[in-house]
Amino acid sequence: DAMVIQNPRYQVTQFGKPVTLSCSQTLNHNVMYWYQQKSSQAPKLLFHYYDKDFNNEADTPDNFQSRRPNTSFCFLDIRSPGLGDAAMYLCATSRGGFGETQYFGPGTRLLVL
Amino acid sequence: QKEVEQDPGPLSVPEGAIVSLNCTYSNSAFQYFMWYRQYSRKGPELLMYTYSSGNKEDGRFTAQVDKSSKYISLFIRDSQPSDSATYLCAMSAGTSYGKLTFGQGTILTVHP
Repeated sequence: DAMVIQNPRYQVTQFGKPVTLSCSQTLNHNVMYWYQQKSSQAPKLLFHYYDKDFNNEADTPDNFQSRRPNTSFCFLDIRSPGLGDAAMYLCATSRGGFGETQYFGPGTRLLVL
Repeated sequence: QKEVEQDPGPLSVPEGAIVSLNCTYSNSAFQYFMWYRQYSRKGPELLMYTYSSGNKEDGRFTAQVDKSSKYISLFIRDSQPSDSATYLCAMSAGTSYGKLTFGQGTILTVHP
């Protein structure tokens, strides 16, 4: 089945220790997104890739970076995690274009100690 | 003021009840309206998708959009315990990369 896969599902890191979250897709979609979702809050878009073009949301902290080495994979790097970065991180994909549906992965729950 | 407002609940109903979930929004540029269902510790899954104003029905679910009032609704008929989840409304103005603006989500519990 075509899908969006995120690894790991749970990640524990230490304050200030870099961490990388992974997302892969078998949908062959052009756009990949990273969202941060804190408890009982709306998902917040961090950035997206349209093909190889990277687009950062204006309020995304510099601590968050992303890489998309090919169509299928996208990574979220948190350079120096703080306690406030503990959240669910959601990867989503879409074909791009107006009104296209976004398909979400199961998320990675990040805990910062 | 948030662009999309959604009552977080929680909402608790008995099995078989009709559930009404609502969102209001302020951005008149929104054209595409979605409802996502999110089970605990899982990613959101698309439930309903509507373009512009009108109604859309899919099984027990009905989505309504009233652009003149900037108001959208999701109705669930004959609610089941398996409907217990967080329901997120989401909207898009139709940018080329499909940016979604989400509501906070409403927590729904359907008890047997």
